[in-house]
Amino acid sequence: DAGVIQSPRHEVTEMGQEVTLRCKPISGHNSLFWYRQTMMRGLELLIYFNNNVPIDDSGMPEDRFSAKMPNASFSTLKIQPSEPRDSAVYFCASSLAHTGGNIYFGEGSWLTVV
Amino acid sequence: SQKIEQNSEALNIQEGKTATLTCNYTNYSPAYLQWYRQDPGRGPVFLLLIRENEKEKRKERLKVTFDTTLKQSLFHITASQPADSATYLCVLTDSWGKLQFGAGTQVVVTP
Repeated sequence: DAGVIQSPRHEVTEMGQEVTLRCKPISGHNSLFWYRQTMMRGLELLIYFNNNVPIDDSGMPEDRFSAKMPNASFSTLKIQPSEPRDSAVYFCASSLAHTGGNIYFGEGSWLTVV
Repeated sequence: SQKIEQNSEALNIQEGKTATLTCNYTNYSPAYLQWYRQDPGRGPVFLLLIRENEKEKRKERLKVTFDTTLKQSLFHITASQPADSATYLCVLTDSWGKLQFGAGTQVVVTP
């Protein structure tokens, strides 16, 4: 299996621009997670989906962030407008269940907002 | 509030020795606990899961213990190698069923 695939791997954008991060989970996994990692706050869960339905988005920092999962093989995380404090590594992960068990991470999208 | 505590200082260890990492938690009643490894520029990778009724679990040179009375897990890397150098993350499931990651402990194994 190819694992969780994320794109882009690196993105540098100007403040105020829209950023869209993409994720393809492992085939057959029914749960998908978006995490953000920074030195200050570590790994934070932003949102997770089960069977393409958002279950908990309480970790989404504010209305500038939105996530969608139109089908079982694709999800996006969008930031509009982006701000310098959004600079972080954004990880997508998937698993067979949204509670319990191990999850599989992608390689991350490194976002820098200048 | 629920908290996961891992040593924030890097653990420097000589090749061949055993590295021991500690994970302490408060306000969790976990049915299981997990350990992940993260290399620089990469996503975390699952290593081991130990359930509350298991005192110890092993996988190759890795050993994990889980003491629900002390609210502590110990993670051991025996016969450490430079390739073991990475950050190791302790992970618990919170009361809502979501995985919560500790901040991680960096391990540096020198030849």
